[in-house]
Amino acid sequence: AQSVSQHNHHVILSEAASLELGCNYSYGGTVNLFWYVQYPGQHLQLLLKYFSGDPLVKGIKGFEAEFIKSKFSFNLRKPSVQWSDTAEYFCAVTSSASKIIFGSGTRLSIRP
Amino acid sequence: GAVVSQHPSRVICKSGTSVKIECRSLDFQATTMFWYRQFPKQSLMLMATSNEGSKATYEQGVEKDKFLINHASLTLSTLTVTSAHPEDSSFYICSARDFSGNQPQHFGDGTRLSIL
Repeated sequence: AQSVSQHNHHVILSEAASLELGCNYSYGGTVNLFWYVQYPGQHLQLLLKYFSGDPLVKGIKGFEAEFIKSKFSFNLRKPSVQWSDTAEYFCAVTSSASKIIFGSGTRLSIRP
Repeated sequence: GAVVSQHPSRVICKSGTSVKIECRSLDFQATTMFWYRQFPKQSLMLMATSNEGSKATYEQGVEKDKFLINHASLTLSTLTVTSAHPEDSSFYICSARDFSGNQPQHFGDGTRLSIL
């Protein structure tokens, strides 16, 4: 069965620090990969997505993610975080089965 | 602006009450809508997939008689929590996808359900 693993449950960083959130999935076929963000009190919003092509994907707000097929990974990165990046981040996968499977989420706290 | 509207955003009711949550796609026709549930400090869990004009497909462990889903039109799906109990208190989120199957899905703002 498909699954998505986010190993970091809570990450605490200072402003301007670099960020990398891990995401690994298990599925042998073609997948589409997403990162969503949920700011406090708000609904999920899409940060970026990968369907095909360049495995390095640029998203909104300076985020990027790299799809490494051999490692079944799609880690999220940002070179310099801001206090406003405090939120919960969800990695997600879809396949030909058409339903989206979410990871358990990573809570990011940024110290001003 | 929002492309998926979910209503109500917050419900507080007594145990034994049935609660209906609506999910509407505002500017596109949603052939498929998904219902998720989020427990505190946990990820979203898919409850069911709703296809317009047909019966919903429920995930394992989700009681279909407890969580009634109706997708009668291309812009509206409803989730009814029947005879709700405190353990049904949770955050329910819908999402919708258009004809083309373009990803990603659009998500509603969610409904916070509290059963007393």
